[in-house]
Amino acid sequence: DTGVSQDPRHKITKRGQNVTFRCDPISEHNRLYWYRQTLGQGPEFLTYFQNEAQLEKSRLLSDRFSAERPKGSFSTLEIQRTEQGDSAMYLCASSLGQGASGTEAFFGQGTRLTVV
Amino acid sequence: AQSVTQLDSHVSVSEGTPVLLRCNYSSSYSPSLFWYVQHPNKGLQLLLKYTSAATLVKGINGFEAEFKKSETSFHLTKPSAHMSDAAEYFCVVSDRGSARQLTFGSGTQLTVLP
Repeated sequence: DTGVSQDPRHKITKRGQNVTFRCDPISEHNRLYWYRQTLGQGPEFLTYFQNEAQLEKSRLLSDRFSAERPKGSFSTLEIQRTEQGDSAMYLCASSLGQGASGTEAFFGQGTRLTVV
Repeated sequence: AQSVTQLDSHVSVSEGTPVLLRCNYSSSYSPSLFWYVQHPNKGLQLLLKYTSAATLVKGINGFEAEFKKSETSFHLTKPSAHMSDAAEYFCVVSDRGSARQLTFGSGTQLTVLP
């Protein structure tokens, strides 16, 4: 396994279009996270899955954003009716854990979204 | 609530001199603390982590950090900077253990001068 994989690496879209990103976590990892990073800032938490269950969502995740992890493996993040403010790097991470314990998060290289 | 403050947005050092990147945290619980590094066009890589064991934590590439509860600090140090250390460094806190929700600082850009 080569780590967390994200696709596509870059996406340019017109304002108002829908986009979908995919994340493939490290195969045995049961936890999956989405973060968003804008220029000059640290990543901000968006949402978290334990297996297929979405357990936490940030208030940053507006109703235009939806994330799924249908079989507890890969995950998708969809943004509907994109806005210029959605332009950012979208990062996926995974970890292995139970309860309050677990490994650290391993990050993918991200998908850079540009809304024009 | 948890938060992280990285006290310097940019740090510049000469190759071979010590590195100090400063971080203060706020956490309602016993925190886990991490330092991640981000090189251009590469993913975030974990340098080291503190999870309530030894307060002096050694990481990869010669980096280490000391957890000081009384000062709520977790500063990152390296005795001798290398050109390859030039990157963005993030201090990260999680007060639910593991990595259920990480809160990142705003980052410190490290420049290493020849």
